[in-house]
This record gives sequence, structure tokens and C-alpha cells, in this order.
Amino acid sequence: GDSVTQMEGPVTLSEEAFLTINCTYTATGYPSLFWYVQYPGEGLQLLLKATKADDKGSNKGFEATYRKETTSFHLEKGSVQVSDSAVYFCALIPGRGSGGYNKLIFGAGTRLAVHP
Amino acid sequence: EPEVTQTPSHQVTQMGQEVILRCVPISNHLYFYWYRQILGQKVEFLVSFYNNEISEKSEIFDDQFSVERPDGSNFTLKIRSTKLEDSAMYFCASSSSGQSTDTQYFGPGTRLTVL
Repeated sequence: GDSVTQMEGPVTLSEEAFLTINCTYTATGYPSLFWYVQYPGEGLQLLLKATKADDKGSNKGFEATYRKETTSFHLEKGSVQVSDSAVYFCALIPGRGSGGYNKLIFGAGTRLAVHP
Repeated sequence: EPEVTQTPSHQVTQMGQEVILRCVPISNHLYFYWYRQILGQKVEFLVSFYNNEISEKSEIFDDQFSVERPDGSNFTLKIRSTKLEDSAMYFCASSSSGQSTDTQYFGPGTRLTVL
């Protein structure tokens, strides 16, 4: 079945360091891909998404490119801040065509800790 | 900005008791979902709901679970007889369409603790 694999955390970085969180997926058809973020004590917030191959999603300095050839959707940020400390979830919705009742399939999540 | 709300934020119950978790989806959304996250584990899909019917459910969503949209705004998840393993964070989400490209917006979650 469809699945998402993320790099294990925690990832610990100093402020202004470069961030990469790897995400690969297995899916039939053409899924939509998402990154959600969960700040301490809060719910899930959409960070960015990409809905077709070679699309780049971006938000708040974070970017991820939908790579169909490598089935990947790695999250990157050029310069992290302490406020980026959170758990990041890669997820997909299987592309079963329009009008489907679609569920998000999540990776295990990667905890990021950024220190001053 | 419209948001999904959930009540209560934390619910403590005794094993075997019934609980009802409440959600108010974004007002013009038509598709509704429940997910759960056991502490330290993945976020897992439970059920999706559209047009007053369950659209899809996971193997977790057994006969102990039910969902309802009792009025035009609320969406509820009922667990009839709670078990210890039902302890988790439960998230409600909504989306405007059922397209795979559509964003699902999540509420802040209800933490359920079963003693």
C-alpha cells in the first residue's frame, strides 16, 4: 500500500544552519504531497504542498520539490531559526482521481530542535 | 482566517465509558475527517465523512467508533466503550473538496486519556 518514509530524528541544528529533512514515498498513481508542522502543544498546520511532478512548494523559507523519478519530497530551509523547532510530517494523498474520499498518509515525523 | 475548532482540549475517562469528541469544521467545507496520534507514533487516519455518510474508514475504526454531523456545524466522534489503547490525541480535519490536491485543515486536537 501507499506509504511515506521520513528520516529519523531528532535533528539538532544551530541557528542559521541549513536544514534538510528527507522524505520518500511509495504510491500508485500520482499522489499529492504535503509537509505539515506541529509546534509544541499545538495541532498540525500545513507548511507547503505540491500536487504534481516537478512542482515546488514553498512557505516561510521552507521548500520542497516533488521528484517523481526518485519518489522524494525533501524539505529544505537555508537558514533555520529557533522558532522553527517543531515536529515535521511528510504526507501524501493518493491520486485516485477527482471526487475521491481522500485520506492523508503520514510519515513518522521528524523532530527538529534549533539552538541559539 | 477560518479555523477548525475542537472541544474539549483534554478528556480523561475511565475504561469502558463512552466519550464524544466534538469538532466544528470550517464553515464552507464539505469533507470531514478524524485522525489520531498515539503518543510518539504516526498520525493515523480513522474515517472520512461526506454528505452525511462515511466515505472511507480504516481498520482502526471498528464498531466501537461512530461519527455524526448532528447539526449544520458540529462533527462528532463517539467511542462507545473506551479501552486503554484508545488513549491518544484525536485530530479533526476538514477540506472543501475531496480532491487529492485539496488541503485538509486540522484542529488543535483533543487529548484523550483512558484510565
